[in-house]
Amino acid sequence: GAVVSQHPSWVICKSGTSVKIECRSLDFQATTMFWYRQFPKQSLMLMATSNEGSKATYEQGVEKDKFLINHASLTLSTLTVTSAHPEDSSFYICSAGGHSGNSPLHFGNGTRLTVT
Amino acid sequence: GQQVMQIPQYQHVQEGEDFTTYCNSSTTLSNIQWYKQRPGGHPVFLIQLVKSGEVKKQKRLTFQFGEAKKNSSLHITATQTTDVGTYFCAGPRNQGGKLIFGQGTELSVKP
Repeated sequence: GAVVSQHPSWVICKSGTSVKIECRSLDFQATTMFWYRQFPKQSLMLMATSNEGSKATYEQGVEKDKFLINHASLTLSTLTVTSAHPEDSSFYICSAGGHSGNSPLHFGNGTRLTVT
Repeated sequence: GQQVMQIPQYQHVQEGEDFTTYCNSSTTLSNIQWYKQRPGGHPVFLIQLVKSGEVKKQKRLTFQFGEAKKNSSLHITATQTTDVGTYFCAGPRNQGGKLIFGQGTELSVKP
């Protein structure tokens, strides 16, 4: 159980365009999902918490207008990187579970974004 | 602010040698979790420790949670090439409860 699916696995886009990443919980309902960003050889940095039916909460330093999060249903959260720039190139990973930090997180496969 | 620190950053071992990674938190944790990320992959949950002084084993992996619940370790006995990857510890943030990840220890195993 607790399978999280993320799509696409990788994407290459041109600078200035927007990219949407989908995260689905396949066998459970997730009122909360988390979006992480990981640069090569570095740790996972929490970007934002996606809340079903309400606004996402963003970590300090993360631009909410650049990283748009929508959590329209109990099984789907999307992250849209708007007006992408090369510095946005990174590995983006969603996760579900981990309620209040007291239970495990189940991660999607991640999306490798390259902005040219 | 609250931090979770992990050492070493890299560890290169010969197959069959043991490996240990250490995790230290700046604050007391309600629990600590360990994840493994294979090269090019995503983090996968390994284990959660909750009790002070707790020790758990998974085959060749031994996990410990310190008495003060501020540090933890992961020890792998007789490493194999399948152990290659980055091992992360993670603990809940004091406020909001979201998980904070350590920097990770990248393990490479030479056959």
